[in-house]
Amino acid sequence: EAQVTQNPRYLITVTGKKLTVTCSQNMNHEYMSWYRQDPGLGLRQIYYSMNVEVTDKGDVPEGYKVSRKEKRNFPLILESPSPNQTSLYFCASSGTMGYSPLHFGNGTRLTVT
Amino acid sequence: QKEVEQNSGPLSVPEGAIASLNCTYSDRGSQSFFWYRQYSGKSPELIMSIYSNGDKEDGRFTAQLNKASQYVSLLIRDSQPSDSATYLCAVKAQSGGYQKVTFGIGTKLQVIP
Repeated sequence: EAQVTQNPRYLITVTGKKLTVTCSQNMNHEYMSWYRQDPGLGLRQIYYSMNVEVTDKGDVPEGYKVSRKEKRNFPLILESPSPNQTSLYFCASSGTMGYSPLHFGNGTRLTVT
Repeated sequence: QKEVEQNSGPLSVPEGAIASLNCTYSDRGSQSFFWYRQYSGKSPELIMSIYSNGDKEDGRFTAQLNKASQYVSLLIRDSQPSDSATYLCAVKAQSGGYQKVTFGIGTKLQVIP
């Protein structure tokens, strides 16, 4: 089954404790992206990757890191989480053709206390 | 200035009526347009995509695109309570191997039985 898999689904952590949210896709997509979703603000792009070893900042990259060492994986790293990073996070992937839609993972609800 | 504008709603329609959801975008270079449905706490799921001016129909859903007016809409005929969700408009622009997908804030639809 074609899918984007994110883990964990729920995560509660404390300020400053490094964490990683994993994302993996099995569709051989070149493009992968991370979004956060907050009430009243919609989906905002954090980072994206056009291919292996090619990553770039989205609209809200502060406090986040990513890497793309393999085509299928695109982990999101919070080196020192803060309460303002409490949010619902989505990983998504797509092909690079214009008509290719984004496929989303199930989301990770992160709470930083 | 927001790049993709949607009325956040809620838009309330009676069961069986037509729901009309609208979206405007600012980037004239945008090439592909998508409508996603998102239930509370769940990931967005693709329901329609459109690339050319005019109408595109799929079951009870019709997407309409007017590039000159930079306007995209989604019509839902015979609305059902199960259609109650937030509808996200997404706009994709591509240039020189780079692509960006921007989302509107989403319109919350309530179908009243």
